[in-house]
Amino acid sequence: EVQVVESGGGLVQPGGSLRLSCAASGFTFRNYAMTWVRQAPGKGLEWVSAITSGGNTYYTDSVKGRFTISRDISKNTVYLQMSSLRAEDTAMYYCAKEQTWAVPHWPDSWGQGTLVTVSS
Amino acid sequence: DIVMTQSPDSLAVSLGERATINCKASQSVLHSSNNKNYLAWYQQKPGQPPKLLIYWASTRGSGVPDRFSGSGSGTDFTLTISGLQAEDVALYYCHQYLTVPITFGQGTRLDIK
Repeated sequence: EVQVVESGGGLVQPGGSLRLSCAASGFTFRNYAMTWVRQAPGKGLEWVSAITSGGNTYYTDSVKGRFTISRDISKNTVYLQMSSLRAEDTAMYYCAKEQTWAVPHWPDSWGQGTLVTVSS
Repeated sequence: DIVMTQSPDSLAVSLGERATINCKASQSVLHSSNNKNYLAWYQQKPGQPPKLLIYWASTRGSGVPDRFSGSGSGTDFTLTISGLQAEDVALYYCHQYLTVPITFGQGTRLDIK
């Protein structure tokens, strides 16, 4: 069974940093792209970042230069390093497995999410 | 960026009736190389992550009941739920994956009348 489990969320002050982790299991991790999507409280879905199986990375404009996505094949884990955090980054962050090795495609398995709150 | 606009924002349908949700893309999501529409639909219930319903505009995801169907091409798409059941109360999102940034519609809330 495919599983993705996010961790690392929490309360952080504006300007601070946080690293989210996403542990994957139940599929051959190295063969698939992975994606982060966020959802602000009461709002819709917003794609944040993705990484292909080969390590190519993609970001939405609002996080470029502040967020970094990476993956550790040996640990079946993808990371989202977030810095210079702003109040508008407050959201539930979902990690999802893409349907194939490339980006973009459709995320077909999602985690339960980890909540990031940026507030003083 | 491709802007996805859903209509209506919310709707209420009686049990057993048909629900129809529309999604319009600001530019075509039909890829000329393979004649496929890069459009997916997701269902999100309260407190849960999104669940894939439809991809390639009309292909149901694994385990998705056949009362869910997708149609359309180019810029105009429809999600139809035939024979609405109580468990279908949720938010529904369309999603284009033709280009980065991947974009979603604003969501449509479906309730029981």
